[in-house]
Amino acid sequence: AQKITQTQPGMFVQEKEAVTLDCTYDTSDQSYGLFWYKQPSSGEMIFLIYQGSYDEQNATEGRYSLNFQKARKSANLVISASQLGDSAMYFCAMRRYNTDKLIFGTGTRLQVFP
Amino acid sequence: GAGVSQSPRYKVAKRGQDVALRCDPISGHVSLFWYQQALGQGPEFLTYFQNEAQLDKSGLPSDRFFAERPEGSVSTLKIQRTQQEDSAVYLCASSPGTNDYGYTFGSGTRLTVV
Repeated sequence: AQKITQTQPGMFVQEKEAVTLDCTYDTSDQSYGLFWYKQPSSGEMIFLIYQGSYDEQNATEGRYSLNFQKARKSANLVISASQLGDSAMYFCAMRRYNTDKLIFGTGTRLQVFP
Repeated sequence: GAGVSQSPRYKVAKRGQDVALRCDPISGHVSLFWYQQALGQGPEFLTYFQNEAQLDKSGLPSDRFFAERPEGSVSTLKIQRTQQEDSAVYLCASSPGTNDYGYTFGSGTRLTVV
């Protein structure tokens, strides 16, 4: 069975500091994709970053980077230089190869304080 | 439109009432998904359309849930004889093709069954 685990219900970080949000996954597939989404209080899910299981380099998108450790089955999100607008729920998700549906974790609420 | 539009934004239904939730995907997007997000949880997959074909409905929790996308664009999720456990946010997402990572989510419909 495919499963995503996010063990941090909530995280606090000071503005301009970096923060790491943890994500581990369980799959027996060789090919899969990993996603991070941000969900502000308005409710929409905003795509942040994607990592394919065969990608050799860690994905980066601006202030977001994904620390992908395949052997440990972890895909942690690193946000550098946190901003107040980063306060939101963050979800890790996985998609099996050749399917389109996403499996989400339970999320981590990030709060950035001045 | 520029994004995925869902209506209504909020819906309160009396137990036993039928409801219909609408999703307007981004024009031209082939794939359309419905997810259910209970309070404090990550979204859970309900069903997936590729154009007008419903290719996966494995996540629909009961036969009271029905989804359609008759012309391959707008989709409706219908819930018959609503129950309290149906209270959740229903998210719609679309993507340009298949097996890509360009999902765009709507802001969701918050359904409360009283």
